[in-house]
Amino acid sequence: DTGVSQDPRHKITKRGQNVTFRCDPISEHNRLYWYRQTLGQGPEFLTYFQNEAQLEKSRLLSDRFSAERPKGSFSTLEIQRTEQGDSAMYLCASSFYRASNTEAFFGQGTRLTVV
Amino acid sequence: DQQVKQNSPSLSVQEGRISILNCDYTNSMFDYFLWYKKYPAEGPTFLISISSIKDKNEDGRFTVFLNKSAKHLSLHIVPSQPGDSAVYFCAASGAYGGATNKLIFGTGTLLAVQP
Repeated sequence: DTGVSQDPRHKITKRGQNVTFRCDPISEHNRLYWYRQTLGQGPEFLTYFQNEAQLEKSRLLSDRFSAERPKGSFSTLEIQRTEQGDSAMYLCASSFYRASNTEAFFGQGTRLTVV
Repeated sequence: DQQVKQNSPSLSVQEGRISILNCDYTNSMFDYFLWYKKYPAEGPTFLISISSIKDKNEDGRFTVFLNKSAKHLSLHIVPSQPGDSAVYFCAASGAYGGATNKLIFGTGTLLAVQP
């Protein structure tokens, strides 16, 4: 395991459909983050987990979005009733939390297009 | 409210010369700063970081400078190479509100290194 893996890399869906993305973090990392990036912007924080506990959710994460990390390993991000405004790159990152700050390592992202 | 700002959307530099990318932040609670590099259709790649207790950190061709009083940091790349051409994101995090280590990103600067 050399990095964060995301699946699928690309997803095209019709408006109103549900989609689910998967993220496999670096194996020894206990923190897992989801970010969203739109054109011309930097990544925006959505939510994060420490082990299996979801500790923070951004106000960007509407009730149509849900994320899980059931066994503290991989995570899924589901978007229900997709809207065109959900079109973006969804990025997963992981890190090993310690008292001092540490860098997060990103996957290659899932590009979502809602048509 | 853009807490991390990269005011230069793009920068063009000749190969072999120095590239200087700038970043300003507004939140004085930020205490850890990172630079990421991003190629199209890929996730951000960690480059270098600096803690607020330092004013300089160097790693090979990359040096980050932090001026806390001015709430400003910069990334120097010397010498610049064509392979450095990418979008560079500045990010910040802080041990506030629970030490989440979530990253707040700027909007990025597109660096083009001309051969």
